Amino acid sequence: KAGVTQTPRYLIKTRGQQVTLSCSPISGHRSVSWYQQTPGQGLQFLFEYFSETQRNKGNFPGRFSGRQFSNSRSEMNVSTLELGDSALYLCASSPSPSGGYNEQFFGPGTRLTVL
Amino acid sequence: QKEVEQDPGPLSVPEGAIVSLNCTYSNSAFQYFMWYRQYSRKGPELLMYTYSSGNKEDGRFTAQVDKSSKYISLFIRDSQPSDSATYLCAMSARGKLIFGQGTELSVKP
Repeated sequence: KAGVTQTPRYLIKTRGQQVTLSCSPISGHRSVSWYQQTPGQGLQFLFEYFSETQRNKGNFPGRFSGRQFSNSRSEMNVSTLELGDSALYLCASSPSPSGGYNEQFFGPGTRLTVL
Repeated sequence: QKEVEQDPGPLSVPEGAIVSLNCTYSNSAFQYFMWYRQYSRKGPELLMYTYSSGNKEDGRFTAQVDKSSKYISLFIRDSQPSDSATYLCAMSARGKLIFGQGTELSVKP
């Protein structure tokens, strides 16, 4: 079974621009979560989608948004980029929502650099 | 104060050493406790998870949870250079996974 794939792997943008990152979950997985990883803050939860609906959201500004398609693929968008948005963005999929425990399988991440 | 605290290290040990990694937490609602391993330029992968207080062993790895002290540990026996990675503790409650800062471990041959 193919793992979680994320595209692109690397991205360089300038302040003020917007960016869209893509995630394809493991086949059959319907839950997709997004995380931001930085050296200073570590891994922080952005949001989770299940069956095209956002189920949970972390403490990030409204510039960060996401969506999920009917085939479970997900995208996240960051508008009006700031220098502090430079980070590794990780996507994780699981078979069902994270209400109890469900193992999350992570992709390799998209490294975003904002200049 | 962060909900989950983890010493970021770095931690350097000789091959064969016993490694102890620890996290403390403040939220009593956490029900599931996990340890992830992250190699450079890769996403985290699940090593172990536990639900209740006590020990859980898997090969060279032992996870320990003490809910009364809000303290979890991961022990690695007979550490190998291939164990060199960042180890992240994680805890879940109400559908959210909260991670520690991660401890960078280096095992020297």
